[in-house]
Amino acid sequence: DQQVKQNSPSLSVQEGRISILNCDYTNSMFDYFLWYKKYPAEGPTFLISISSIKDKNEDGRFTVFLNKSAKHLSLHIVPSQPGDSAVYFCAARDNNDMRFGAGTRLTVKP
Amino acid sequence: ETGVTQSPTHLIKTRGQQVTLRCSSQSGHNTVSWYQQALGQGPQFIFQYYREEENGRGNFPPRFSGLQFPNYSSELNVNALELDDSALYLCASKSHGRQETQYFGPGTRLLVL
Repeated sequence: DQQVKQNSPSLSVQEGRISILNCDYTNSMFDYFLWYKKYPAEGPTFLISISSIKDKNEDGRFTVFLNKSAKHLSLHIVPSQPGDSAVYFCAARDNNDMRFGAGTRLTVKP
Repeated sequence: ETGVTQSPTHLIKTRGQQVTLRCSSQSGHNTVSWYQQALGQGPQFIFQYYREEENGRGNFPPRFSGLQFPNYSSELNVNALELDDSALYLCASKSHGRQETQYFGPGTRLLVL
């Protein structure tokens, strides 16, 4: 059962524009959400997180939005840079169980 | 500060064999989790260890087992390997606490023939 879904396998944006990556979940018990970035031949790297008691968290160019009623999570990157090109995973935590989406490959073109 | 390391980086086994993968946690981290990432999918949670005991498990059969040692290093053992066990195995460590951030190692790529 896929409790965390990233429906867009890939996204391409121009350098300097906004990148918006989306994630949907089904389990209402999830209370903590995270985004990870993964480069080839490396493990996922933590990017940003948000607790279920908040609806927005910002860290520099990265902002995560949480819409609990819609069970929807999004990551905004602005402005996008070529170095942001990677696979992005959203993850959701329920106790010690963390569920990941399948990932979205972001390509930022110069 | 040393990050999470895993060994070996690559491994080839045949069906029915057993394999042991190793992980060294980041300094100061006492909780370790293992994940399986099949091609084109996100990491799937296998289990988590804290203070040398398993304290969370995903939907994986008992032939997937683990150990955590007093120095917080960890092993993942898989018995009776199946072709579908071919995947990238990721280890992640963190400090104890629900909202502590996990830090991942680079993974071990296992191929079962």
